[in-house]
Amino acid sequence: GQNIDQPTEMTATEGAIVQINCTYQTSGFNGLFWYQQHAGEAPTFLSYNVLDGLEEKGRFSSFLSRSKGYSYLLLKELQMKDSASYLCAVRVNTGFQKLVFGTGTRLLVSP
Amino acid sequence: DTEVTQTPKHLVMGMTNKKSLKCEQHMGHRAMYWYKQKAKKPPELMFVYSYEKLSINESVPSRFSPECPNSSLLNLHLHALQPEDSALYLCASSQEWKGNEKLFFGSGTQLSVL
Repeated sequence: GQNIDQPTEMTATEGAIVQINCTYQTSGFNGLFWYQQHAGEAPTFLSYNVLDGLEEKGRFSSFLSRSKGYSYLLLKELQMKDSASYLCAVRVNTGFQKLVFGTGTRLLVSP
Repeated sequence: DTEVTQTPKHLVMGMTNKKSLKCEQHMGHRAMYWYKQKAKKPPELMFVYSYEKLSINESVPSRFSPECPNSSLLNLHLHALQPEDSALYLCASSQEWKGNEKLFFGSGTQLSVL
């Protein structure tokens, strides 16, 4: 089966840095995505990693270690609007491609 | 236009009703998806259409019937649903159904089955 784990909730203060971890045990790994989802809204794409290492995009960075089945999303200079759920999703290929989502991490940014 | 549009945004239906959810995109994407998301849970894949053909059905009960009339439209027909089917139904699209294409999600239809 496919197993993707994330912390359920995290809290941080405005201006701080937060790291959201994701560990996965999947078959047929073919890339890892991070999505942001505000309550009642659609998930929006943040980042994609298929090779090991760090991908930086503005205030957000994402890291992948395939050998460890581990990824993290790093958010810098936190803003109130960053309060949202962050979904780790792994693209697996088990005869066909599909995206399997992790449990999601609810991040609350306080003043 | 980088939007996936879903209608209606909210739907309340009885267990004997027949209703349809609609999804539309004009990005020229050839893969479209239906996901189901229960409260505080991650989205779960239901169906994948690639080039207007059903490519994946994740063992979804037959009371959910997808349809892809053309490359821009995706419908989900609902009939004889159960209260446990109440959830947020998300439509998504991507350029193709392979590789590293990111999914573009619609804002979803919040469905309540009474």
